[in-house]
Amino acid sequence: EVQLVESGGGLVQPGGSLRLSCAASGFTFSSYRMNWVRQAPGKGLEWVSYISTGSSTMYYADSVKGRFTISRDNARNSLYLQMSSLRAEDTAVYYCARERSDGLHPPDYWGQGTLVTVSS
Amino acid sequence: QLVLTQSPSASASLGASVKLTCTLSSGHSSYAIAWHQQQPEKGPRYLMKVNSDGSHSKGDGIPDRFSGSSSGAERYLTISSLQSEDEADYYCQTWGTGIRVFGGGTKLTVL
Repeated sequence: EVQLVESGGGLVQPGGSLRLSCAASGFTFSSYRMNWVRQAPGKGLEWVSYISTGSSTMYYADSVKGRFTISRDNARNSLYLQMSSLRAEDTAVYYCARERSDGLHPPDYWGQGTLVTVSS
Repeated sequence: QLVLTQSPSASASLGASVKLTCTLSSGHSSYAIAWHQQQPEKGPRYLMKVNSDGSHSKGDGIPDRFSGSSSGAERYLTISSLQSEDEADYYCQTWGTGIRVFGGGTKLTVL
């Protein structure tokens, strides 16, 4: 069974940092591209970041570029999102989602999400 | 600019059918899209990919009641024999080099 389990969310002050993790199981993690997607309270889904299978390529939404860093550890079947210079507008549930490596398919499995609250 | 447009809300009666629409921005009518369902207080669930020719491929365990189609720049999700658990937010999503884009979502109410 494919499972993606996010962790690391919590309450952080504006300007602070937080590292999210996504533990993958039930599939060959190293063969899949990965994404972070977030959802602010009462709002829609917003793509945040993407990483290729071998970490050679990363993309970021303009709203987080220069502040967030995506990474992965294929040996540990884990995906990460290092968030710094956090703002109130970064408050959201953060989801990880996998996509096939051929570039022809959308994310097909999602985690249950972890809540990040940026507030003083 | 790659943009997806969805109506904010839709409604249909229990047991009826409903067709949700996602419109691709000008110049992007050849793009495939995905439909994702988000039930209240849950994470998103992948439903299907819909290609520009109308063909579609569904995710694991998605019932036959869910189908996809296309016309020009529009991509559709049709849900037949509506059930109470179909009341949810439905998001379309597409992708290109360096970008993934979501529509604003359609909130479906089952009457």
